[in-house]
Amino acid sequence: DAGVTQSPTHLIKTRGQHVTLRCSPISGHKSVSWYQQVLGQGPQFIFQYYEKEERGRGNFPDRFSARQFPNYSSELNVNALLLGDSALYLCASSLGLGTDTQYFGPGTRLTVL
Amino acid sequence: AQSVTQLDSHVSVSEGTPVLLRCNYSSSYSPSLFWYVQHPNKGLQLLLKYTSAATLVKGINGFEAEFKKSETSFHLTKPSAHMSDAAEYFCVVSGTYSGGGADGLTFGKGTHLIIQP
Repeated sequence: DAGVTQSPTHLIKTRGQHVTLRCSPISGHKSVSWYQQVLGQGPQFIFQYYEKEERGRGNFPDRFSARQFPNYSSELNVNALLLGDSALYLCASSLGLGTDTQYFGPGTRLTVL
Repeated sequence: AQSVTQLDSHVSVSEGTPVLLRCNYSSSYSPSLFWYVQHPNKGLQLLLKYTSAATLVKGINGFEAEFKKSETSFHLTKPSAHMSDAAEYFCVVSGTYSGGGADGLTFGKGTHLIIQP
């Protein structure tokens, strides 16, 4: 079975631009979560979606938004990019919420110049 | 709120010797605990998961971890290190889900495991 897939693999943007990152979950998984991993740190929780609804949000500004589609894939959008948004963005899928194991994709490396 | 402390930012061992990566957690409820591994320029791979069924959890690639509630610890061990074990290791505590929403996973800062030949 295919694991979690993310696109693109790498992305370079300039300050002030907007970016959209995409994620496809493992087949059968209905929940998608997004994490930001800054170089040298552990991932930090951004959002969790389940059945197309936002079910949790971490401590990130409103420039960050996401949505989940009927096929359970998801997009993460970041507006007005800042240099500090440069990071590895990880998507994880799980069957449901709570303590269900989250399986991670390879990530999208975003560089903001 | 939950938190995780990985006690060592770097651990260096010789190939064939035991590995010990230390983790302490804080949680106001009975959490699920995980260890994930991240190889350079790769995503996160689940090593093992604790969910209260047994305090000693066996994972992939010969790793295991022991949950000790009295010490709020969840240390990761392996009897004999292999060169391919060199990577970043994260101790993780699960979030909660209540009517107020999901908290997501909380990660430690990571331990960089170096294997000396």
